Amino acid sequence: KQEVTQIPAALSVPEGENLVLNCSFTDSAIYNLQWFRQDPGKGLTSLLLIQSSQREQTSGRLNASLDKSSGRSTLYIAASQPGDSATYLCAAPNNAGNMLTFGGGTRLMVKP
Amino acid sequence: EAGVAQSPRYKIIEKRQSVAFWCNPISGHATLYWYQQILGQGPKLLIQFQNNGVVDDSQLPKDRFSAERLKGVDSTLKIQPAKLEDSAVYLCASSLALGYNEQFFGPGTRLTVL
Repeated sequence: KQEVTQIPAALSVPEGENLVLNCSFTDSAIYNLQWFRQDPGKGLTSLLLIQSSQREQTSGRLNASLDKSSGRSTLYIAASQPGDSATYLCAAPNNAGNMLTFGGGTRLMVKP
Repeated sequence: EAGVAQSPRYKIIEKRQSVAFWCNPISGHATLYWYQQILGQGPKLLIQFQNNGVVDDSQLPKDRFSAERLKGVDSTLKIQPAKLEDSAVYLCASSLALGYNEQFFGPGTRLTVL
């Protein structure tokens, strides 16, 4: 059974800082991993879907990496802004690719 | 392209009452998912449909929860009777097909059971 853990649970940084969010998973036989953003009271917005063959995926100031052998993924946010304040969730599929298991999320606060 | 639609956005009910949530996926998406997200936790999959058939409902509390997707498009999730611990956000998501496809989420329905 896949288990996904995110550390830290909460993070507060000053504006402009580069930061890394961590995600670990127990079953390394995954095909891809997805990172989401969730604003308070809102649904999930897909940020990046990183395939196991890609190892890295970039979108603007966001960069996600995937290391299946170590069971880890990181989301790097460059030059953080107050608008980046949200909860960030990672999710890994099961072997059949149909069930996503989510981590508990990292609640990010970027202070002006 | 329109996203995943859900209604209502908020619902407050007394325990032992019934409630239903509606979801309309992105047009052309064959796979539909219902998730439960308790405050402070990540979403947990309740049920997954492929067209009008159930693919996985292993985590659905079937004594009180039911879901259907009769025509393979929109879906309804029902709770009857509700318990206090059902207070959560219920998220609907869709993807193009089964397998390793990106999932797109709706805004969710926040349920409060008093």
